[in-house]
Amino acid sequence: AQKVTQAQTEISVVEKEDVTLDCVYETRDTTYYLFWYKQPPSGELVFLIRRNSFDEQNEISGRYSWNFQKSTSSFNFTITASQVVDSAVYFCALSEAGGGSTLGRLYFGRGTQLTVWP
Amino acid sequence: DADVTQTPRNRITKTGKRIMLECSQTKGHDRMYWYRQDPGLGLRLIYYSFDVKDINKGEISDGYSVSRQAQAKFSLSLESAIPNQTALYFCATSGRSSIGPQHFGDGTRLSIL
Repeated sequence: AQKVTQAQTEISVVEKEDVTLDCVYETRDTTYYLFWYKQPPSGELVFLIRRNSFDEQNEISGRYSWNFQKSTSSFNFTITASQVVDSAVYFCALSEAGGGSTLGRLYFGRGTQLTVWP
Repeated sequence: DADVTQTPRNRITKTGKRIMLECSQTKGHDRMYWYRQDPGLGLRLIYYSFDVKDINKGEISDGYSVSRQAQAKFSLSLESAIPNQTALYFCATSGRSSIGPQHFGDGTRLSIL
């Protein structure tokens, strides 16, 4: 079973629109970590945020914000006033703190391709 | 200079050939990982290593092997390449106190004909 589900395969918006990328995860661990990465067309992976399971505060960084809700096992990512440079594939990922050698393994969702049109 | 360096960046080869992808890091991290990315499938873990003497299989290790030559070097080998191993390969590192790999190399695009 997929531990991280990104149901939106592709999203297209016009510049200045707000867009939310959904991420739903599945784990039995009480301690875990959630991540978002950005992969622009050039192909590299850029780390955006890490959130632990005990911190449900929403986080805002410039035009980016993240909404973590344990009750729905979701960690959604919103870009406000989108720009063409936001066009990329965005990955959500989960790391379970089960201890031992499993700690630190990342399970990735399949990614959401975001295209922002001028 | 990049903190995590992968070589080569691109490689085209033929079925049956042995291929080695190399990864080196200057971050001083203990943990290193190899992932492959296929369109629409995200990244999947091939192998990971938490120190020089610790090597673990990931989700899709069949057809691959690894070597952790030093703390800073982690290589991935395809002993006899096949076309369905065509993919984008990433190396990643993380520190002992970090949770999850946060530092990725720029990737190696591998095509097997």
